[in-house]
Amino acid sequence: GAVVSQHPSWVICKSGTSVKIECRSLDFQATTMFWYRQFPKQSLMLMATSNEGSKATYEQGVEKDKFLINHASLTLSTLTVTSAHPEDSSFYICSVWLAEGDEQFFGPGTRLTVL
Amino acid sequence: AQSVTQLDSQVPVFEEAPVELRCNYSSSVSVYLFWYVQYPNQGLQLLLKYLSGSTLVKGINGFEAEFNKSQTSFHLRKPSVHISDTAEYFCAVSSLYNQGGKLIFGQGTELSVKP
Repeated sequence: GAVVSQHPSWVICKSGTSVKIECRSLDFQATTMFWYRQFPKQSLMLMATSNEGSKATYEQGVEKDKFLINHASLTLSTLTVTSAHPEDSSFYICSVWLAEGDEQFFGPGTRLTVL
Repeated sequence: AQSVTQLDSQVPVFEEAPVELRCNYSSSVSVYLFWYVQYPNQGLQLLLKYLSGSTLVKGINGFEAEFNKSQTSFHLRKPSVHISDTAEYFCAVSSLYNQGGKLIFGQGTELSVKP
């Protein structure tokens, strides 16, 4: 399987600031990565599909100008929460997709708290 | 479109007792099915998956699941649980025709194993 890391593991920021979250595939070249958000005691909601070298595909209801996704290399995708507000506080999880076996490997998540 | 319903939000059980976590799905096309486990403040770990072949799938940590096409179910079972199995469990589905492995998750079932 693939090993996926996220950085930072947690972050606290002031309202109005921007926060960048990194997702790295440590041992696998990932053409496709996914970004999810998870509110407490809830399921994972897919935010967007990140494709290396092209624009991300956002799910309905996700603001692409607020959640900027960059997938500049086969091992790194970044999610930037711009002008964060308290309602953006959540657990953000990324995954990489291995087409062979149709399996996703998940990162450990990033806890974002916006004050 | 696909959807996943986990019928129990919480399942309390005593240690060494058997457990079944229920999952039903809805789809107009053939699907792949997955069970993931999430420990507190961590990402998701794959327990098992059904792609094709035998409808009884064995996974890690002694878990197994049975795909029932007529009942559109994929229930997760373990004959004897341990305290360490306490976690959140998610059932997920992806379409065979899905480009890029997009997963749809159920709402999650919180398994609480008591001594």
